[in-house]
Amino acid sequence: DAGVTQSPTHLIKTRGQQVTLRCSPKSGHDTVSWYQQALGQGPQFIFQYYEEEERQRGNFPDRFSGHQFPNYSSELNVNALLLGDSALYLCASSQRGVEETQYFGPGTRLLVL
Amino acid sequence: GESVGLHLPTLSVQEGDNSIINCAYSNSASDYFIWYKQESGKGPQFIIDIRSNMDKRQGQRVTVLLNKTVKHLSLQIAATQPGDSAVYFCAENIGGTSYGKLTFGQGTILTVHP
Repeated sequence: DAGVTQSPTHLIKTRGQQVTLRCSPKSGHDTVSWYQQALGQGPQFIFQYYEEEERQRGNFPDRFSGHQFPNYSSELNVNALLLGDSALYLCASSQRGVEETQYFGPGTRLLVL
Repeated sequence: GESVGLHLPTLSVQEGDNSIINCAYSNSASDYFIWYKQESGKGPQFIIDIRSNMDKRQGQRVTVLLNKTVKHLSLQIAATQPGDSAVYFCAENIGGTSYGKLTFGQGTILTVHP
């Protein structure tokens, strides 16, 4: 049973660039949530996707956008990168109405120079 | 607003001891609570969860206690092992995690000495 996978594992970008991170949910899961985890902090909710729509959003600017595909995989896009966007980006999946626990992937470490 | 915090940022124990990690939450509307373990370089790993209609739930070597009166959550780890060394986060949610966000605390660093 495949768990949550994310790619790439590490990424280095410069200020102003754009980045796309990818997530494949655990087998059987249909809901994907994205979190940002700064060093030494707990994860912060960015947004959640279900049925290819953004269902709930945290306190993040519009530079952060996402997409969910028919196979339930998801992408997180960040435009106009800032130094402060350097963090571990975590994807979590769950199955709405069946298994509510969110299971996390290993994350993508983004460094903005 | 919603917030979840931890009383102790670090906890150091000897192998074989029992560990207790505490967490306070401020949103009385929260009805679902989860403990995650995060090892260095990895994503959070689910440990145990509890709903607000319960005050205790047990898993393998772990017990979660919920005191809604004082908005307090704790994780007890029995016979702590070196492999338990990690950062532990409590998280809370309203309405079930499939329907929205988890709000995490800062985390407690647990160090287990052999």
